[in-house]
Amino acid sequence: SQELEQSPQSLIVQEGKNLTINCTSSKTLYGLYWYKQKYGEGLIFLMMLQKGGEEKSHEKITAKLDEKKQQSSLHITASQPSHAGIYLCGAFSRGTYKYIFGTGTRLKVLA
Amino acid sequence: DTAVSQTPKYLVTQMGNDKSIKCEQNLGHDTMYWYKQDSKKFLKIMFSYNNKELIINETVPNRFSPKSPDKAHLNLHINSLELGDSAVYFCASSQDLRGLAGGFGTDTQYFGPGTRLTVL
Repeated sequence: SQELEQSPQSLIVQEGKNLTINCTSSKTLYGLYWYKQKYGEGLIFLMMLQKGGEEKSHEKITAKLDEKKQQSSLHITASQPSHAGIYLCGAFSRGTYKYIFGTGTRLKVLA
Repeated sequence: DTAVSQTPKYLVTQMGNDKSIKCEQNLGHDTMYWYKQDSKKFLKIMFSYNNKELIINETVPNRFSPKSPDKAHLNLHINSLELGDSAVYFCASSQDLRGLAGGFGTDTQYFGPGTRLTVL
């Protein structure tokens, strides 16, 4: 079955620093989604990537999908305390009716 | 306007009780889902309904029963609650199941705020 592995599992950075979170799939992705979850709250959709090599940005967050469509990275520039939370990648599992999520990355930003 | 809403947000109950969590979406979507988030924050799908029909039914105890009175609602009923049922439950919706059968997964899912269930 298809799996999504995220790294790192947790991350603590100083405010203003850049950081990258990776999401690796065991199979080719047909679409990759990034979400953010604030503690005690629901999931917030960030962006969706479909094509190999695609890159999208929203404010200080940039996500890329590699050419082989098996790995995606989420990059935050000049991190702020408001970026803190759990970041999840998600995708439809190829050949099944499943929507799977990555293992999650817990981000803390120190002021 | 809230797109996907869940009630209650918090639920504390005793073992053995029966409880329900309600979910409503006002996006006009055809498909709704229930997920369980475990202690490690990993999301696992439980059920999916498309046009009021059960599409996905993962391996969950029979004590969990989804009910979809109409396309905009998917409620989760849990009988004989156990300690291990404590978790955060998320409801979600998407336009349809387009691309799920090995095609192009382009359908965005919109999530509710979650219901934190604590079984004592």
